Amino acid sequence: NAGVTQTPKFQVLKTGQSMTLQCAQDMNHEYMSWYRQDPGMGLRLIHYSVGAGITDQGEVPNGYNVSRSTTEDFPLRLLSAAPSQTSVYFCASSSRDRSQPQHFGDGTRLSIL
Amino acid sequence: GENVEQHPSTLSVQEGDSAVIKCTYSDSASNYFPWYKQELGKGPQLIIDIRSNVGEKKDQRIAVTLNKTAKHFSLHITETQPEDSAVYFCAANSMEYGNKLVFGAGTILRVKS
Repeated sequence: NAGVTQTPKFQVLKTGQSMTLQCAQDMNHEYMSWYRQDPGMGLRLIHYSVGAGITDQGEVPNGYNVSRSTTEDFPLRLLSAAPSQTSVYFCASSSRDRSQPQHFGDGTRLSIL
Repeated sequence: GENVEQHPSTLSVQEGDSAVIKCTYSDSASNYFPWYKQELGKGPQLIIDIRSNVGEKKDQRIAVTLNKTAKHFSLHITETQPEDSAVYFCAANSMEYGNKLVFGAGTILRVKS
């Protein structure tokens, strides 16, 4: 059982480049989300989706886009990378029930030069 | 919106001793409080959670207590072992952003052998 799979694990970009971080889950979860983790700031919600075809913004959405064409996949796109987007990005999934646990992937470590 | 504060930020204990990490939350509507353990290079892994209809939950050496009136909850690890060394995050769910989790800033636990 793979759970939540994120690719790539590491990436270095130049300022202005674009890229897509991939996230896939095999638990048939309706709810998926993207967080970024920065030192001393815990995890902050970027975007989330409550089901295929439905996405919405979280706390820190600027500079990122998402789509949810299938239940399994929830890619995160950086439109024009900036040094402030250097971070570790985590994808998570859960059932739609608010009191069910979220399952996290192992993260993508992204550096913007 | 929900705000979660976590203390201490670092904690060093001798192997075999107990460790306690405390969190407070602000939103009385929150009803789900998970604890995550994050090892180096990995994503957060759920270790225990508690819902607002119970005051305490145990799982072997780990326990969580919840005081809804005071809006605080705590993680207790007994008989600590070197493999307990990691970063621990508390979280609370929020009515904002679907099934959003609001995380504390994390506690670095070091168990000295």
